[in-house]
Amino acid sequence: KTQVEQSPQSLVVRQGENCVLQCNYSVTPDNHLRWFKQDTGKGLVSLTVLVDQKDKTSNGRYSATLDKDAKHSTLHITATLLDDTATYICVVGDRGSALGRLHFGAGTQLIVIP
Amino acid sequence: DMKVTQMPRYLIKRMGENVLLECGQDMSHETMYWYRQDPGLGLQLIYISYDVDSNSEGDIPKGYRVSRKKREHFSLILDSAKTNQTSVYFCASSAGTGGAVWAEQFFGPGTRLTVL
Repeated sequence: KTQVEQSPQSLVVRQGENCVLQCNYSVTPDNHLRWFKQDTGKGLVSLTVLVDQKDKTSNGRYSATLDKDAKHSTLHITATLLDDTATYICVVGDRGSALGRLHFGAGTQLIVIP
Repeated sequence: DMKVTQMPRYLIKRMGENVLLECGQDMSHETMYWYRQDPGLGLQLIYISYDVDSNSEGDIPKGYRVSRKKREHFSLILDSAKTNQTSVYFCASSAGTGGAVWAEQFFGPGTRLTVL
């Protein structure tokens, strides 16, 4: 059973618009949540990591929230650029130790058009 | 320069042939991973290596084996490839192990393997 669900599956926005990507999960325990960006044909690159029960982070035009009570995270991209076209992957770590495992979502494919 | 490299980037093999995928990293990370990525699915862990000659099965190890003789190199081997092993394979490395928040994984660019 998929433990990390991302929505929407795909999204098309015009350059300059804002967008929000969603991540819901059932992983327990939920130690931390990381958002990755995957350009087409490339590997995953970390954007941000959230750790606290209710957490917020900001990294340039990317900002993210985490609510562990709701097991829900959002990734906001402000003033999108063509280079934001990519797949965004939500990953939940279930422990803060060597015994921990990562649980990957299938990703949201974002396409930014001129 | 912190980097994970993978070779080859693209590979086409016939069913039953042997496949060798290579991964290298220049960060002296102890832990390395092999994943596969299929459409509509999250990355699935095939094998994890905690250091030289210290390897453990991940979630989908069947049909695969690994080799780690040097800390900076980690190989994935498919003996007698099957068509359902057609996928994109990613290697990653981290300074720590498991799912610790501080053990961020750095990913290679992937190898697209097609088994005919």
